[in-house]
Parts: sequence; structure tokens; C-alpha cells
Amino acid sequence: SQQGEEDPQALSIQEGENATMNCSYKTSINNLQWYRQNSGRGLVHLILIRSNEREKHSGRLRVTLDTSKKSSSLLITASRAADTASYFCATPSSNTGKLIFGQGTTLQVKP
Amino acid sequence: DVKVTQSSRYLVKRTGEKVFLECVQDMDHENMFWYRQDPGLGLRLIYFSYDVKMKEKGDIPEGYSVSREKKERFSLILESASTNQTSMYLCASGGDRYIPNTEAFFGQGTRLTVV
Repeated sequence: SQQGEEDPQALSIQEGENATMNCSYKTSINNLQWYRQNSGRGLVHLILIRSNEREKHSGRLRVTLDTSKKSSSLLITASRAADTASYFCATPSSNTGKLIFGQGTTLQVKP
Repeated sequence: DVKVTQSSRYLVKRTGEKVFLECVQDMDHENMFWYRQDPGLGLRLIYFSYDVKMKEKGDIPEGYSVSREKKERFSLILESASTNQTSMYLCASGGDRYIPNTEAFFGQGTRLTVV
């Protein structure tokens, strides 16, 4: 079963615009992670937000977490063509560390 | 740099063959994972190992088995490959069973085609 579900499934924007992706999950978590995948490659970790944090920044990335709504969002500001990729949220099982991913959002940034 | 290395980037096998996908990590992680990725379905967990010789089934273990004889190596085995196992397989490692607040590191993926 998928723990996280991303929304939208696909997003197309112009370079310079902001991109927002959302993730909803079902059970309680102690952290939520965001990953990026370039076409045909492995995933790369972007940012981890703990359950007691509400917002976290890393460069042009901003992640928010609302545990009452069981949701998170990833904002990429001033997007670039190189940001074109798929983005996934993931949550670890609290008692085993098993990492469950959502279906991902495919982002296309047009130059 | 953490490295997770998968033995093959591309693999073509025949239906009915026994297939081994190997994954090696160099960061002494206790947790290792095998995922399968298909268009529109995201990453689905096949098996998870939290220690040598320890494993847990993921969401789609049918048709697969795993082996973890050494901490750094986690193998995925397709006992009798079928065409519906054609997919991208991703190995990852990260953290341990009791400290889940860590990131996972992924290999480059193995694109398996079963003909």
C-alpha cells in the first residue's frame, strides 16, 4: 500500500515560475522525506522534515508539514529547466525504518 | 561519498530463468531495500532487510526472494522470471531499524527486460 500520495501527478511550468507539489499520507510519522529522480536514474534525497517541524528550507526548496492534515508540500522557487524531474515523498515506518514512497509528481520546466 | 552500486544497468533475460540482481553499499547501513518502479505506479517496495539474514516482505513480494548474507550486500532473486517482471529495479540503503530519521541512498537502477 502506498503511504504517500503526491498531487498533482504531472506539472508543467515555465522557467522562473514556482512549482508546488503536495503529498498526503495515512498513518502517523516521525519524519517525511522528499526525493528527486531524473529520467531513468536512481533517486536522490532532497530534504527531510521531522514531525515536530512545520517548515524547512534548503536553497530554492521549501518544505512544509502539517501533521494534523497528514500532508506536506514541496515548493521549488524560481524553477530552472534543470529542475525537470520526478519528485517523490517518502515516509519511514516508525518501528522498522521501512521506507514507503508515493507515486510521484512529474515536473516539466520549459525554458 | 556514499555509494550504492547495482551490478547491472541493463539486463535482458528469458522467461523461466533464475535472475540475480546484486546491490552493494559502502556505508555500513543496516537497512537495505529493493523497489520496483513502473510507469504510473511509482516505487513499490518488494523486500526490506534491517540486518544480516533479516528480511521483511514489502507490498509486492510474490515471485521474488532476497538474500542478505553480508551487511553490505543485498540480492534480489527472481526465481522464475516472467514477462510481467519487466521493470526498473532500484536498490537503496539507509539508516537502521531504530533510527529512521535518516535519508536513503539509491543505486542507479537496473532496467530488466524479460523476453
